[in-house]
Amino acid sequence: DAKTTQPNSMESNEEEPVHLPCNHSTISGTDYIHWYRQLPSQGPEYVIHGLTSNVNNRMASLAIAEDRKSSTLILHRATLRDAAVYYCILRGRNTGTASKLTFGTGTRLQVTL
Amino acid sequence: DAGVTQSPTHLIKTRGQHVTLRCSPISGHKSVSWYQQVLGQGPQFIFQYYEKEERGRGNFPDRFSARQFPNYSSELNVNALLLGDSALYLCASSLTGGSVEAFFGQGTRLTVV
Repeated sequence: DAKTTQPNSMESNEEEPVHLPCNHSTISGTDYIHWYRQLPSQGPEYVIHGLTSNVNNRMASLAIAEDRKSSTLILHRATLRDAAVYYCILRGRNTGTASKLTFGTGTRLQVTL
Repeated sequence: DAGVTQSPTHLIKTRGQHVTLRCSPISGHKSVSWYQQVLGQGPQFIFQYYEKEERGRGNFPDRFSARQFPNYSSELNVNALLLGDSALYLCASSLTGGSVEAFFGQGTRLTVV
């Protein structure tokens, strides 16, 4: 599986935007970029995914570099409830009936008042 | 709607014993995956089952086994427990094996003493 690199930790003030970077220089043409987050004492939850174009949903936006070797998860207005570990994961497109998520160590986001 | 449910939530076992962890997927989901999360690390893939057949296996010893039942619930069994098996065990369900989004339960915290 292609590897991702993320900063160990980041801090943000509440109500401000947060940009969480992810490097994936060995990404293949068929790999999707997925983001999950894990709140304290909970299992991971899906945030967003994309292939080439930037994506928006109710939780976040995903900005993908033109060469696809990096991406950025954007939380437009961080709240205390967004404090979590954020995982950037590459996943093959045609996984058929089987697919696994390969988690790294993620970025621990701290949000302060 | 009920999410992914796992039981028990916490468990303490002695070295050498065996343990069975249980998972009920979201209604209508036919795929269940198991992950192990050691403190400070991201979750590591153990197994995936889809339509009651094993579809993927991670790099875990044969002491780890699993199965999926006709109602799509699943059990993870670990024999001859070691101290290093102490971890949070997460179950994830998805509609199909290759679904984009996986839904995780809150996990079973296993402590081996």
